[in-house]
Amino acid sequence: AQSVTQLDSQVPVFEEAPVELRCNYSSSVSVYLFWYVQYPNQGLQLLLKYLSGSTLVESINGFEAEFNKSQTSFHLRKPSVHISDTAEYFCAVRAPQNKFYFGSGTKLNVKP
Amino acid sequence: KAGVTQTPRYLIKTRGQQVTLSCSPISGHRSVSWYQQTPGQGLQFLFEYFSETQRNKGNFPGRFSGRQFSNSRSEMNVSTLELGDSALYLCASSQGAEAYEQYFGPGTRLTVT
Repeated sequence: AQSVTQLDSQVPVFEEAPVELRCNYSSSVSVYLFWYVQYPNQGLQLLLKYLSGSTLVESINGFEAEFNKSQTSFHLRKPSVHISDTAEYFCAVRAPQNKFYFGSGTKLNVKP
Repeated sequence: KAGVTQTPRYLIKTRGQQVTLSCSPISGHRSVSWYQQTPGQGLQFLFEYFSETQRNKGNFPGRFSGRQFSNSRSEMNVSTLELGDSALYLCASSQGAEAYEQYFGPGTRLTVT
């Protein structure tokens, strides 16, 4: 069975500092990996995805994530965060038969 | 293209009642999934429908049911509501039989009193 672990439930960080949100997954088969962001009282928005090809994927707002097959990780990083990045971030895995598994979420709190 | 829409956005019900939530997927998307999100349990998968057939099902009691119509719109129903059913219910749509990503609606906030 697949599972997704987000190691940090909350990450406080100052504005313009770098941040890494960690995600590990367990799977015996190939999977597709995603990061979603959720702002208060809203649904989840797709931030970035890894399907195949380059293991480093980027979003339009400066986030990037690297797929590491040997460590079964898909950590999310941003070199310089903004106040507007304050939100909850979810890592997700798509396994065969179109089954999606989500991590428990990491609340990123960017402080001025 | 319009995004995934969910109605109503907010709902207050009392214990024992039943409720129906609606989801309209992105045009052309044929798969609809439902999730329950609570602070304690996080995002939990309820079920997925594709071409009017339930394809996957999560670990929820039979009080939770759903269906999908020929236009891909989906409804989920919860009967005999319990206080613990208070949650944000999220609908997500994806394209085709093998979906690579899901697109979420804004959710329906259900409060059971």
